[in-house]
Amino acid sequence: KNEVEQSPQNLTAQEGEFITINCSYSVGISALHWLQQHPGGGIVSLFMLSSGKKKHGRLIATINIQEKHSSLHITASHPRDSAVYICAVTNYGGSQGNLIFGKGTKLSVKP
Amino acid sequence: GAGVSQSPRYKVAKRGQDVALRCDPISGHVSLFWYQQALGQGPEFLTYFQNEAQLDKSGLPSDRFFAERPEGSVSTLKIQRTQQEDSAVYLCASSPDSNYGYTFGSGTRLTVV
Repeated sequence: KNEVEQSPQNLTAQEGEFITINCSYSVGISALHWLQQHPGGGIVSLFMLSSGKKKHGRLIATINIQEKHSSLHITASHPRDSAVYICAVTNYGGSQGNLIFGKGTKLSVKP
Repeated sequence: GAGVSQSPRYKVAKRGQDVALRCDPISGHVSLFWYQQALGQGPEFLTYFQNEAQLDKSGLPSDRFFAERPEGSVSTLKIQRTQQEDSAVYLCASSPDSNYGYTFGSGTRLTVV
């Protein structure tokens, strides 16, 4: 079983829809990252959080430490949001950067 | 530069050849990380530097993989005697410190034929 599980694996939405991507993990963590990867490989770090909730523009990330679960929400989705969204965690006690990655959620937003 | 720069962007190597992949992090970023991403998979951690010190190399898959960052800025990932299973995108990221997120480079796509 993977230590970081994401769902769904693939997601297709219509422009304007509210989107939720889920991440569950089985290890103790010191931080959780949400990353965005576009075709061609470039990765953008969206959020790093260890508790509560963060918001940036139309993106919202939440984490529940007790339930070992995080969600990434996209409001008013747009075709340019189409990408793979990756959840990654820093294992508590592990070195910085020794991230454990989920397999990613491929999001396609149709106009 | 403004971002993390990796070179070459693409590399085709014959099996058994040695390769060197370069990462130029954001100026002043203390931490530098290397990851390997096989086709269709999520990235996997290889190694981590804080300045010139390699603090964690637990993810390097074999002794054919070697990374260095001699002056605490540019880093090189070297793979000796490449094998087909080494084919992947090699990603580099840097960070000012542990309280900040990471900035990733565009990666080097290595194909071993």
